Amino acid sequence: SAVISQKPSRDICQRGTSLTIQCQVDSQVTMMFWYRQQPGQSLTLIATANQGSEATYESGFVIDKFPISRPNLTFSTLTVSNMSPEDSSIYLCSVRRQGRGRRNTEAFFGQGTRLTVV
Amino acid sequence: DQQVKQNSPSLSVQEGRISILNCDYTNSMFDYFLWYKKYPAEGPTFLISISSIKDKNEDGRFTVFLNKSAKHLSLHIVPSQPGDSAVYFCAASRYNQGGKLIFGQGTELSVKP
Repeated sequence: SAVISQKPSRDICQRGTSLTIQCQVDSQVTMMFWYRQQPGQSLTLIATANQGSEATYESGFVIDKFPISRPNLTFSTLTVSNMSPEDSSIYLCSVRRQGRGRRNTEAFFGQGTRLTVV
Repeated sequence: DQQVKQNSPSLSVQEGRISILNCDYTNSMFDYFLWYKKYPAEGPTFLISISSIKDKNEDGRFTVFLNKSAKHLSLHIVPSQPGDSAVYFCAASRYNQGGKLIFGQGTELSVKP
């Protein structure tokens, strides 16, 4: 398994401001993933953060809105910029570790950051 | 385009009985499937997975069945316990997509004593 620490666990922010979420993993990983879960919705991948290169963003997500840092193999940050109430969600970071079999990996998640924008 | 679908938003089961959670997918390129359990205020917790080369995987009270021709998988929990009450997500991935998971919408399971 993996121990993933995410902070803050929750925050209430004013619209127009920005919030940076931190994710710390207990061991080195090549890729870290940032997901969003809007109220009543599924988990949606925002971007994949690779150490030493720019993050890869999924359709509908852009770097200006969700800048990501990946300074080393155990840490990443996600910033939610210029927030609006529509950004109210749970934000989760995730890593994958190899399980049984060469291709089988399981994803492990932090406890999430519950963001409310007012 | 919802590639992974859980059509039942909620399920209520009596303690000791079987819980069956269903998941359908549309992309035949998915080759690995996972189930996660999520309690409020916590991140999802990995439960069980299955590779597309198998049709069944069992781990204690949890069994996942995969029907590739129908693009359908299901999670069976036997016997169900009140502590199993949570939201269950199925997820799918493709080997050449760098670990990206596509999640279903989740099914909230309630196990009543």
